[in-house]
Amino acid sequence: EAQVTQNPRYLITVTGKKLTVTCSQNMNHEYMSWYRQDPGLGLRQIYYSMNVEVTDKGDVPEGYKVSRKEKRNFPLILESPSPNQTSLYFCASSFLAGVLGEQYFGPGTRLTVT
Amino acid sequence: GIQVEQSPPDLILQEGANSTLRCNFSDSVNNLQWFHQNPWGQLINLFYIPSGTKQNGRLSATTVATERYSLLYISSSQTTDSGVYFCAAAMNRDDKIIFGKGTRLHILP
Repeated sequence: EAQVTQNPRYLITVTGKKLTVTCSQNMNHEYMSWYRQDPGLGLRQIYYSMNVEVTDKGDVPEGYKVSRKEKRNFPLILESPSPNQTSLYFCASSFLAGVLGEQYFGPGTRLTVT
Repeated sequence: GIQVEQSPPDLILQEGANSTLRCNFSDSVNNLQWFHQNPWGQLINLFYIPSGTKQNGRLSATTVATERYSLLYISSSQTTDSGVYFCAAAMNRDDKIIFGKGTRLHILP
């Protein structure tokens, strides 16, 4: 089944404890991105990647890192999480490089930082 | 950058009713999608529709690119249609996808 998977789906952690949220797609998509969704602020892009080894900042990249060593994986790294990073996170992918293709979203990761 | 506005922000309907959700965008788009976010938070693709009309069961969508709007029609609403409906648009290859703020739909049994 063609899909975008994220792990974990739910995570409660403490301030300062490094964490990684994995994202994987099995559709051979070139474009992948991370979003966070917060009440009243909608979906905001954190980072995106046009292809392997190519990543760029989105609207809210502070406090996050990403890497794209393989086409299928695009992990999101929080080196020192803080409570203001409590949010619902989505990974997305698209077949075409850039935004000219249909975006497919993962199931979401609900992160709470205490 | 492109602006995306959705209306209405909230909609409460009785089961069985029909509804029309609107998405206006400020410039020409090459990517226009509709999503449904269910009560569990998952974003479900409904339509990829930069222009034209598509139908999928009780749902259909029309984008009139020259007039800069898209419409999502839901017929014979069911309680499972409840949730937030987002449209998202982008102009060019290197642009970000911009999401509207969504329409929250609540279908009463």
